[in-house]
Amino acid sequence: AQSVTQPDIHITVSEGASLELRCNYSYGATPYLFWYVQSPGQGLQLLLKYFSGDTLVQGIKGFEAEFKRSQSSFNLRKPSVHWSDAAEYFCAVLRGYGNKLVFGAGTILRVKS
Amino acid sequence: DADVTQTPRNRITKTGKRIMLECSQTKGHDRMYWYRQDPGLGLQLIYYSFDVKDINKGEISDGYSVSRQAQAKFSLSLESAIPNQTALYFCATSDSSGGPGDTQYFGPGTRLTVL
Repeated sequence: AQSVTQPDIHITVSEGASLELRCNYSYGATPYLFWYVQSPGQGLQLLLKYFSGDTLVQGIKGFEAEFKRSQSSFNLRKPSVHWSDAAEYFCAVLRGYGNKLVFGAGTILRVKS
Repeated sequence: DADVTQTPRNRITKTGKRIMLECSQTKGHDRMYWYRQDPGLGLQLIYYSFDVKDINKGEISDGYSVSRQAQAKFSLSLESAIPNQTALYFCATSDSSGGPGDTQYFGPGTRLTVL
Protein backbone atom coordinates (compact mmCIF):
# COMPACT_ATOMS: atom_id res chain seq x y z
CA ALA A 1 0.00 0.00 0.00
CA GLN A 2 1.08 3.53 -0.67
CA SER A 3 2.44 5.43 2.30
CA VAL A 4 4.27 8.63 3.04
CA THR A 5 6.80 9.22 5.80
CA GLN A 6 7.91 12.58 7.07
CA PRO A 7 10.68 11.73 9.54
CA ASP A 8 10.81 15.12 11.22
CA ILE A 9 7.89 16.16 13.40
CA HIS A 10 9.38 19.56 14.22
CA ILE A 11 12.13 21.59 12.60
CA THR A 12 13.47 24.96 13.76
CA VAL A 13 15.57 27.14 11.49
CA SER A 14 16.84 30.68 11.70
CA GLU A 15 15.38 33.30 9.44
CA GLY A 16 17.51 33.53 6.31
CA ALA A 17 18.86 30.00 6.67
CA SER A 18 18.23 27.26 4.15
CA LEU A 19 15.56 24.64 4.69
CA GLU A 20 15.08 21.02 3.70
CA LEU A 21 12.02 19.01 4.74
CA ARG A 22 12.22 15.29 4.14
CA CYS A 23 9.61 13.07 2.57
CA ASN A 24 9.86 9.39 1.71
CA TYR A 25 7.16 7.49 -0.08
CA SER A 26 6.29 3.89 -0.69
CA TYR A 27 4.69 3.27 -4.07
CA GLY A 28 5.22 0.68 -6.77
CA ALA A 29 4.77 2.76 -9.88
CA THR A 30 5.78 6.29 -10.77
CA PRO A 31 4.20 8.37 -8.05
CA TYR A 32 2.34 11.62 -8.25
CA LEU A 33 3.73 13.66 -5.35
CA PHE A 34 2.62 16.84 -3.67
CA TRP A 35 3.68 19.27 -0.99
CA TYR A 36 1.04 21.28 0.86
CA VAL A 37 1.44 23.98 3.50
CA GLN A 38 -0.99 24.72 6.31
CA SER A 39 -0.63 28.04 8.07
CA PRO A 40 -2.16 28.36 11.54
CA GLY A 41 -5.94 28.41 11.33
CA GLN A 42 -5.92 27.96 7.59
CA GLY A 43 -6.68 25.22 5.11
CA LEU A 44 -4.04 23.47 3.03
CA GLN A 45 -2.42 25.27 0.13
CA LEU A 46 -0.59 23.47 -2.66
CA LEU A 47 3.09 24.42 -2.88
CA LEU A 48 4.12 22.18 -5.77
CA LYS A 49 3.53 18.83 -7.41
CA TYR A 50 5.46 16.26 -9.42
CA PHE A 51 3.94 14.03 -12.09
CA SER A 52 6.75 13.30 -14.52
CA GLY A 53 9.61 14.91 -16.41
CA ASP A 54 12.14 17.18 -14.75
CA THR A 55 12.85 15.84 -11.29
CA LEU A 56 13.40 19.31 -9.83
CA VAL A 57 10.07 21.01 -9.42
CA GLN A 58 9.55 24.69 -8.70
CA GLY A 59 6.64 25.84 -6.60
CA ILE A 60 5.17 28.94 -5.09
CA LYS A 61 6.74 31.09 -2.39
CA GLY A 62 10.27 30.19 -3.50
CA PHE A 63 10.00 26.48 -2.68
CA GLU A 64 11.34 23.64 -4.78
CA ALA A 65 11.39 19.87 -4.42
CA GLU A 66 13.48 17.16 -5.98
CA PHE A 67 12.17 13.72 -6.88
CA LYS A 68 14.76 10.99 -6.38
CA ARG A 69 13.45 7.62 -7.46
CA SER A 70 16.50 5.73 -6.17
CA GLN A 71 15.88 7.07 -2.68
CA SER A 72 12.07 7.12 -2.85
CA SER A 73 12.26 10.71 -1.71
CA PHE A 74 10.66 14.03 -2.54
CA ASN A 75 12.34 16.56 -0.27
CA LEU A 76 11.20 20.16 -0.09
CA ARG A 77 13.78 22.94 -0.07
CA LYS A 78 14.02 26.67 0.23
CA PRO A 79 17.31 28.58 0.06
CA SER A 80 16.36 31.33 2.52
CA VAL A 81 13.53 30.98 5.01
CA HIS A 82 11.29 33.89 5.98
CA TRP A 83 9.41 34.19 9.27
CA SER A 84 6.14 33.88 7.32
CA ASP A 85 7.14 30.35 6.29
CA ALA A 86 6.40 29.09 9.81
CA ALA A 87 3.64 26.55 9.26
CA GLU A 88 2.98 22.83 8.99
CA TYR A 89 4.06 21.11 5.81
CA PHE A 90 2.53 17.96 4.41
CA CYS A 91 3.87 15.63 1.75
CA ALA A 92 1.30 13.52 -0.08
CA VAL A 93 1.16 10.83 -2.75
CA LEU A 94 -1.75 10.14 -5.06
CA ARG A 95 -3.23 6.72 -4.56
CA GLY A 96 -4.85 4.83 -7.38
CA TYR A 97 -8.20 5.63 -8.91
CA GLY A 98 -10.06 8.69 -7.80
CA ASN A 99 -7.43 11.26 -6.90
CA LYS A 100 -7.14 9.94 -3.36
CA LEU A 101 -4.29 11.57 -1.54
CA VAL A 102 -2.29 9.78 1.15
CA PHE A 103 -0.70 12.29 3.49
CA GLY A 104 2.34 12.14 5.69
CA ALA A 105 1.99 13.11 9.32
CA GLY A 106 3.36 16.58 8.68
CA THR A 107 6.39 18.61 9.73
CA ILE A 108 5.96 21.72 11.83
CA LEU A 109 8.42 24.43 10.84
CA ARG A 110 9.41 27.05 13.36
CA VAL A 111 11.43 30.07 12.27
CA LYS A 112 13.53 31.92 14.82
CA SER A 113 14.73 35.46 14.36
CA ASP B 1 -14.70 35.18 -1.74
CA ALA B 2 -13.17 31.81 -0.96
CA ASP B 3 -13.59 29.07 -3.55
CA VAL B 4 -14.24 26.36 -0.95
CA THR B 5 -16.21 27.30 2.16
CA GLN B 6 -17.04 25.25 5.22
CA THR B 7 -19.67 25.85 7.87
CA PRO B 8 -19.49 26.00 10.78
CA ARG B 9 -15.84 26.85 11.39
CA ASN B 10 -16.01 25.71 14.98
CA ARG B 11 -18.48 23.46 16.76
CA ILE B 12 -18.71 22.04 20.23
CA THR B 13 -21.24 19.30 20.80
CA LYS B 14 -22.06 16.48 23.20
CA THR B 15 -21.72 12.74 22.86
CA GLY B 16 -24.66 11.20 21.03
CA LYS B 17 -25.71 14.33 19.17
CA ARG B 18 -26.16 14.41 15.38
CA ILE B 19 -23.89 16.89 13.66
CA MET B 20 -23.73 18.09 10.06
CA LEU B 21 -20.76 19.84 8.53
CA GLU B 22 -21.33 21.60 5.25
CA CYS B 23 -19.06 22.33 2.33
CA SER B 24 -19.75 24.53 -0.68
CA GLN B 25 -17.54 25.30 -3.66
CA THR B 26 -17.66 27.82 -6.46
CA LYS B 27 -14.89 26.23 -8.55
CA GLY B 28 -17.27 24.18 -10.66
CA HIS B 29 -15.41 20.97 -9.80
CA ASP B 30 -17.01 17.56 -10.05
CA ARG B 31 -15.02 15.85 -7.30
CA MET B 32 -15.34 16.58 -3.61
CA TYR B 33 -13.69 15.02 -0.56
CA TRP B 34 -13.94 15.00 3.21
CA TYR B 35 -10.83 14.51 5.35
CA ARG B 36 -10.17 14.59 9.07
CA GLN B 37 -6.92 15.79 10.57
CA ASP B 38 -5.57 14.55 13.87
CA PRO B 39 -2.27 15.77 15.35
CA GLY B 40 0.61 13.57 14.24
CA LEU B 41 -1.50 11.64 11.74
CA GLY B 42 -1.80 13.98 8.81
CA LEU B 43 -5.10 13.92 6.90
CA GLN B 44 -7.21 10.81 6.44
CA LEU B 45 -9.89 10.44 3.79
CA ILE B 46 -13.44 9.88 5.09
CA TYR B 47 -15.58 9.98 1.93
CA TYR B 48 -15.26 11.19 -1.62
CA SER B 49 -17.66 11.91 -4.45
CA PHE B 50 -16.98 12.03 -8.19
CA ASP B 51 -20.35 13.56 -8.98
CA VAL B 52 -23.82 13.92 -7.50
CA LYS B 53 -24.66 10.25 -8.00
CA ASP B 54 -21.29 8.80 -7.03
CA ILE B 55 -20.33 8.48 -3.36
CA ASN B 56 -17.42 6.38 -2.13
CA LYS B 57 -16.04 5.43 1.25
CA GLY B 58 -12.54 6.44 2.19
CA GLU B 59 -10.16 5.01 4.77
CA ILE B 60 -12.13 5.94 7.89
CA SER B 61 -15.83 6.13 6.98
CA ASP B 62 -17.23 4.31 10.04
CA GLY B 63 -19.42 6.63 12.10
CA TYR B 64 -19.83 9.11 9.24
CA SER B 65 -22.24 9.61 6.36
CA VAL B 66 -22.33 12.09 3.50
CA SER B 67 -24.77 13.72 1.14
CA ARG B 68 -24.00 15.32 -2.22
CA GLN B 69 -26.95 17.65 -2.60
CA ALA B 70 -25.65 19.33 -5.74
CA GLN B 71 -22.43 19.62 -7.67
CA ALA B 72 -21.40 22.46 -5.40
CA LYS B 73 -22.44 21.02 -2.03
CA PHE B 74 -21.14 18.07 -0.05
CA SER B 75 -22.19 17.54 3.57
CA LEU B 76 -20.66 15.31 6.21
CA SER B 77 -22.80 13.97 9.06
CA LEU B 78 -21.93 12.36 12.34
CA GLU B 79 -25.06 10.42 13.23
CA SER B 80 -24.14 9.99 16.90
CA ALA B 81 -21.01 11.91 17.78
CA ILE B 82 -18.39 10.39 20.06
CA PRO B 83 -15.36 12.03 21.68
CA ASN B 84 -12.79 10.37 19.41
CA GLN B 85 -14.39 12.19 16.49
CA THR B 86 -12.96 15.39 17.91
CA ALA B 87 -10.74 16.62 15.07
CA LEU B 88 -10.24 19.19 12.36
CA TYR B 89 -12.32 18.39 9.28
CA PHE B 90 -11.43 19.53 5.78
CA CYS B 91 -13.42 19.57 2.59
CA ALA B 92 -11.57 19.54 -0.74
CA THR B 93 -12.45 19.67 -4.42
CA SER B 94 -10.73 18.72 -7.65
CA ASP B 95 -11.46 18.90 -11.35
CA SER B 96 -11.82 15.57 -13.13
CA SER B 97 -11.00 16.90 -16.57
CA GLY B 98 -7.24 16.86 -16.29
CA GLY B 99 -6.75 13.20 -15.48
CA PRO B 100 -5.04 11.70 -12.44
CA GLY B 101 -3.15 14.03 -10.21
CA ASP B 102 -5.48 16.98 -10.46
CA THR B 103 -4.84 19.46 -7.73
CA GLN B 104 -7.10 19.30 -4.71
CA TYR B 105 -8.23 22.62 -3.26
CA PHE B 106 -9.00 22.70 0.43
CA GLY B 107 -11.46 24.63 2.52
CA PRO B 108 -10.44 26.39 5.75
CA GLY B 109 -11.53 23.53 7.97
CA THR B 110 -14.08 22.92 10.71
CA ARG B 111 -12.84 22.32 14.23
CA LEU B 112 -15.21 19.89 15.93
CA THR B 113 -15.09 19.09 19.62
CA VAL B 114 -17.23 16.29 21.05
CA LEU B 115 -17.59 16.37 24.82
